[in-house]
Amino acid sequence: EVLLVESGGGLVQPGRSLRLSCAASGFTLGDYGMHWVRQAPGKGLEWVSGISWKSGRTAYADSVKGRFIISRDNAQNSLNLQMNSLRVEDTAFYFCVKGSIVAVPVDIRGDVFDIWGQGTLVTVSS
Amino acid sequence: DIQMTQSPSTLSASVGDRVTITCRASQSISSWLAWYQQKPGKAPRLLIYKASGLESGVPSRFGGSGSETDFTLTISSLQPDDFATYYCQQYYTYPNTFGQGTKLEI
Repeated sequence: EVLLVESGGGLVQPGRSLRLSCAASGFTLGDYGMHWVRQAPGKGLEWVSGISWKSGRTAYADSVKGRFIISRDNAQNSLNLQMNSLRVEDTAFYFCVKGSIVAVPVDIRGDVFDIWGQGTLVTVSS
Repeated sequence: DIQMTQSPSTLSASVGDRVTITCRASQSISSWLAWYQQKPGKAPRLLIYKASGLESGVPSRFGGSGSETDFTLTISSLQPDDFATYYCQQYYTYPNTFGQGTKLEI
């Protein structure tokens, strides 16, 4: 079974850091892109960050650039998102998502999101 | 960034109806458009890619069309399982951007 399972969400104070992880199983990430997409409670979808798995190229939404860092662990087949200087407006469900376009340069092109994790909730509040 | 605008924001319909949701891009995106379905408390699900390509496992009552700036998602005969929120997304260029969503209600 193809699965993406996120972990690491929780309650954190503004200005603090949190690290999300995503474990992939049932498939190898090969040369696809992997992404984080978030959704504030009751709101729409917002792409946050992506990484081209083979090349390591990364991309970020302007709203998180300079604060969030996406990374991959080939050996563990896992994806990470280091979130620093968190703000109240970062409160959201964070979904780990697999892209479907082979060798996509995530910093130039978009991607189609074909496999989604169940999401992990990050709450930023004092 | 490319802005994606969906209409309507909410759509009321009945089982068996044919419904259409519209998505407009702020500039041409060729056919680089996807549609997703999301049910409450669940992750989104890919329905359509490249404007009209049906994702594996998606019922044939779902159809997509359009190019450049104007796109539509059509459900030919609504089933009870189809009541959900639908999002369009452009992947022509970085950054990926989504429409604001269309909630399909009974």
